[in-house]
Amino acid sequence: DAGITQSPRYKITETGRQVTLMCHQTWSHSYMFWYRQDLGHGLRLIYYSAAADITDKGEVPDGYVVSRSKTENFPLTLESATRSQTSVYFCASSFQGAGTEAFFGQGTRLTVV
Amino acid sequence: AQRVTQPEKLLSVFKGAPVELKCNYSYSGSPELFWYVQYSRQRLQLLLRHISRESIKGFTADLNKGETSFHLKKPFAQEEDSAMYYCALMNTGNQFYFGTGTSLTVIP
Repeated sequence: DAGITQSPRYKITETGRQVTLMCHQTWSHSYMFWYRQDLGHGLRLIYYSAAADITDKGEVPDGYVVSRSKTENFPLTLESATRSQTSVYFCASSFQGAGTEAFFGQGTRLTVV
Repeated sequence: AQRVTQPEKLLSVFKGAPVELKCNYSYSGSPELFWYVQYSRQRLQLLLRHISRESIKGFTADLNKGETSFHLKKPFAQEEDSAMYYCALMNTGNQFYFGTGTSLTVIP
Protein backbone atom coordinates (compact mmCIF):
# COMPACT_ATOMS: atom_id res chain seq x y z
CA ASP A 1 0.00 0.00 0.00
CA ALA A 2 1.18 3.48 -0.74
CA GLY A 3 1.80 5.84 2.14
CA ILE A 4 3.52 5.66 5.45
CA THR A 5 3.06 2.68 7.72
CA GLN A 6 4.25 1.84 11.20
CA SER A 7 4.63 -1.50 12.89
CA PRO A 8 3.70 -2.83 15.29
CA ARG A 9 0.54 -0.90 16.15
CA TYR A 10 0.70 -2.00 19.77
CA LYS A 11 3.62 -3.26 21.82
CA ILE A 12 4.08 -4.20 25.45
CA THR A 13 7.63 -4.70 26.63
CA GLU A 14 9.48 -5.03 29.90
CA THR A 15 11.81 -2.52 31.47
CA GLY A 16 15.35 -2.98 30.23
CA ARG A 17 14.47 -4.74 26.99
CA GLN A 18 15.42 -3.46 23.58
CA VAL A 19 12.54 -2.72 21.25
CA THR A 20 12.44 -1.46 17.68
CA LEU A 21 9.59 0.42 16.07
CA MET A 22 9.42 0.30 12.30
CA CYS A 23 8.45 2.99 9.85
CA HIS A 24 8.16 2.60 6.09
CA GLN A 25 7.15 5.15 3.45
CA THR A 26 6.57 4.66 -0.26
CA TRP A 27 6.78 8.25 -1.46
CA SER A 28 10.58 8.54 -1.54
CA HIS A 29 10.33 11.52 0.78
CA SER A 30 13.75 12.73 1.78
CA TYR A 31 12.80 13.73 5.32
CA MET A 32 11.56 11.39 8.02
CA PHE A 33 10.74 12.08 11.65
CA TRP A 34 9.95 10.32 14.90
CA TYR A 35 7.69 11.92 17.48
CA ARG A 36 6.31 10.83 20.79
CA GLN A 37 2.87 11.98 21.88
CA ASP A 38 2.21 12.44 25.58
CA LEU A 39 -0.63 14.11 27.42
CA GLY A 40 0.36 17.62 28.34
CA HIS A 41 3.42 17.59 26.10
CA GLY A 42 1.87 17.26 22.68
CA LEU A 43 4.20 15.90 20.02
CA ARG A 44 7.88 16.09 20.69
CA LEU A 45 10.50 15.44 18.06
CA ILE A 46 12.83 12.58 18.95
CA TYR A 47 14.99 12.23 15.84
CA TYR A 48 14.83 13.22 12.24
CA SER A 49 16.58 12.32 9.03
CA ALA A 50 17.20 14.49 5.99
CA ALA A 51 18.24 11.60 3.74
CA ALA A 52 19.62 8.08 3.85
CA ASP A 53 22.55 7.85 6.25
CA ILE A 54 21.86 11.36 7.63
CA THR A 55 20.19 11.56 11.04
CA ASP A 56 20.07 14.16 13.76
CA LYS A 57 18.70 14.65 17.25
CA GLY A 58 15.44 16.39 17.98
CA GLU A 59 14.08 17.68 21.27
CA VAL A 60 14.07 14.43 23.28
CA PRO A 61 16.62 11.98 21.86
CA ASP A 62 17.94 10.40 25.06
CA GLY A 63 17.38 6.66 25.24
CA TYR A 64 16.64 6.32 21.52
CA VAL A 65 18.66 5.30 18.50
CA VAL A 66 17.74 5.62 14.83
CA SER A 67 19.20 4.51 11.55
CA ARG A 68 18.38 5.13 7.92
CA SER A 69 20.19 2.82 5.57
CA LYS A 70 17.42 3.09 2.97
CA THR A 71 15.34 6.14 2.06
CA GLU A 72 12.06 4.35 2.73
CA ASN A 73 12.80 2.98 6.20
CA PHE A 74 13.46 4.78 9.46
CA PRO A 75 13.43 2.44 12.46
CA LEU A 76 13.48 3.73 16.02
CA THR A 77 15.16 1.62 18.71
CA LEU A 78 14.81 1.92 22.44
CA GLU A 79 18.05 0.36 23.64
CA SER A 80 16.90 -0.30 27.20
CA ALA A 81 13.25 0.58 27.62
CA THR A 82 12.12 2.54 30.66
CA ARG A 83 8.62 3.22 31.96
CA SER A 84 9.00 6.88 31.04
CA GLN A 85 9.16 5.78 27.41
CA THR A 86 5.57 4.53 27.56
CA SER A 87 3.94 6.66 24.89
CA VAL A 88 2.39 6.78 21.46
CA TYR A 89 5.05 7.05 18.78
CA PHE A 90 4.40 8.64 15.41
CA CYS A 91 6.56 8.48 12.36
CA ALA A 92 6.22 11.15 9.68
CA SER A 93 7.76 12.00 6.35
CA SER A 94 7.94 15.00 4.06
CA PHE A 95 9.65 16.16 0.94
CA GLN A 96 12.05 19.06 1.21
CA GLY A 97 11.29 22.69 0.76
CA ALA A 98 8.56 25.29 0.89
CA GLY A 99 5.04 24.07 0.45
CA THR A 100 5.72 20.67 1.95
CA GLU A 101 3.80 19.06 4.76
CA ALA A 102 4.42 16.22 7.17
CA PHE A 103 2.52 12.99 6.49
CA PHE A 104 1.98 10.81 9.52
CA GLY A 105 1.80 7.11 10.17
CA GLN A 106 -0.97 5.63 12.25
CA GLY A 107 1.13 5.46 15.40
CA THR A 108 2.54 2.77 17.67
CA ARG A 109 1.26 2.54 21.22
CA LEU A 110 4.15 1.33 23.38
CA THR A 111 3.74 0.29 26.98
CA VAL A 112 6.78 -0.44 29.11
CA VAL A 113 5.98 -2.47 32.22
CA ALA B 1 15.43 27.78 18.52
CA GLN B 2 11.73 27.56 17.83
CA ARG B 3 8.73 27.22 20.05
CA VAL B 4 5.01 26.75 19.48
CA THR B 5 2.60 27.62 22.27
CA GLN B 6 -1.04 26.59 22.48
CA PRO B 7 -2.34 28.09 25.73
CA GLU B 8 -5.60 26.12 25.89
CA LYS B 9 -5.40 22.40 26.60
CA LEU B 10 -9.16 22.00 26.59
CA LEU B 11 -11.82 24.02 24.83
CA SER B 12 -15.56 23.41 24.83
CA VAL B 13 -18.06 25.28 22.70
CA PHE B 14 -21.70 24.76 21.80
CA LYS B 15 -22.70 23.65 18.35
CA GLY B 16 -23.18 26.67 16.13
CA ALA B 17 -20.98 28.92 18.25
CA PRO B 18 -17.76 30.46 16.96
CA VAL B 19 -14.53 28.79 17.91
CA GLU B 20 -10.98 30.10 18.09
CA LEU B 21 -7.94 27.99 18.92
CA LYS B 22 -4.92 30.06 19.81
CA CYS B 23 -1.38 29.49 18.62
CA ASN B 24 1.69 31.62 19.19
CA TYR B 25 5.16 30.89 17.94
CA SER B 26 8.70 32.09 18.35
CA TYR B 27 11.31 31.65 15.67
CA SER B 28 14.04 33.95 14.47
CA GLY B 29 13.71 32.94 10.84
CA SER B 30 10.77 32.82 8.47
CA PRO B 31 8.62 29.84 9.45
CA GLU B 32 5.85 28.00 7.73
CA LEU B 33 2.85 27.46 9.98
CA PHE B 34 0.35 24.64 9.94
CA TRP B 35 -2.67 23.33 11.75
CA TYR B 36 -3.00 19.57 12.10
CA VAL B 37 -6.06 17.71 13.37
CA GLN B 38 -6.27 14.32 15.03
CA TYR B 39 -9.68 12.69 15.27
CA SER B 40 -10.20 10.00 17.87
CA ARG B 41 -7.67 7.17 17.44
CA GLN B 42 -6.64 8.35 13.98
CA ARG B 43 -3.40 9.63 12.59
CA LEU B 44 -2.63 13.32 12.43
CA GLN B 45 -3.66 14.99 9.21
CA LEU B 46 -3.05 18.41 7.80
CA LEU B 47 -5.94 20.81 8.21
CA LEU B 48 -4.44 23.91 6.65
CA ARG B 49 -1.23 25.83 6.14
CA HIS B 50 -0.61 29.55 6.10
CA ILE B 51 1.00 29.75 2.68
CA SER B 52 -2.07 28.46 0.87
CA ARG B 53 -4.49 30.84 2.64
CA GLU B 54 -7.32 28.39 2.11
CA SER B 55 -10.38 27.46 4.12
CA ILE B 56 -10.78 23.80 4.98
CA LYS B 57 -13.96 22.46 6.60
CA GLY B 58 -14.88 26.07 7.36
CA PHE B 59 -11.66 26.72 9.29
CA THR B 60 -9.34 29.61 8.54
CA ALA B 61 -6.11 30.82 10.07
CA ASP B 62 -4.24 34.03 9.50
CA LEU B 63 -0.57 34.46 10.14
CA ASN B 64 0.07 37.61 12.16
CA LYS B 65 3.80 38.20 12.08
CA GLY B 66 3.58 41.20 14.38
CA GLU B 67 1.93 39.19 17.13
CA THR B 68 3.65 35.95 16.06
CA SER B 69 0.30 34.23 16.09
CA PHE B 70 -1.56 31.78 13.89
CA HIS B 71 -4.96 31.36 15.49
CA LEU B 72 -7.47 28.89 14.02
CA LYS B 73 -11.04 30.09 13.64
CA LYS B 74 -14.40 28.77 12.57
CA PRO B 75 -17.60 30.84 12.69
CA PHE B 76 -20.00 27.98 13.43
CA ALA B 77 -18.72 24.88 15.21
CA GLN B 78 -20.05 21.45 14.28
CA GLU B 79 -20.08 18.26 16.34
CA GLU B 80 -17.71 16.60 13.89
CA ASP B 81 -15.11 19.27 14.69
CA SER B 82 -14.48 17.62 18.06
CA ALA B 83 -10.86 16.54 17.90
CA MET B 84 -7.33 17.35 19.02
CA TYR B 85 -5.77 20.27 17.16
CA TYR B 86 -2.06 20.90 16.89
CA CYS B 87 -0.35 24.01 15.67
CA ALA B 88 2.99 23.32 14.00
CA LEU B 89 5.94 25.26 12.69
CA MET B 90 8.39 24.17 10.02
CA ASN B 91 11.77 25.82 10.30
CA THR B 92 14.21 26.50 7.50
CA GLY B 93 15.84 23.16 8.23
CA ASN B 94 12.61 21.37 7.26
CA GLN B 95 11.92 20.19 10.80
CA PHE B 96 8.38 20.30 12.16
CA TYR B 97 7.76 21.42 15.74
CA PHE B 98 4.39 21.07 17.37
CA GLY B 99 2.53 22.71 20.20
CA THR B 100 1.01 20.81 23.08
CA GLY B 101 -2.36 20.61 21.40
CA THR B 102 -5.88 21.78 22.16
CA SER B 103 -8.68 19.29 22.66
CA LEU B 104 -11.85 20.75 21.20
CA THR B 105 -15.24 19.46 22.27
CA VAL B 106 -18.35 20.69 20.50
CA ILE B 107 -21.40 20.30 22.71
CA PRO B 108 -24.61 19.37 20.86
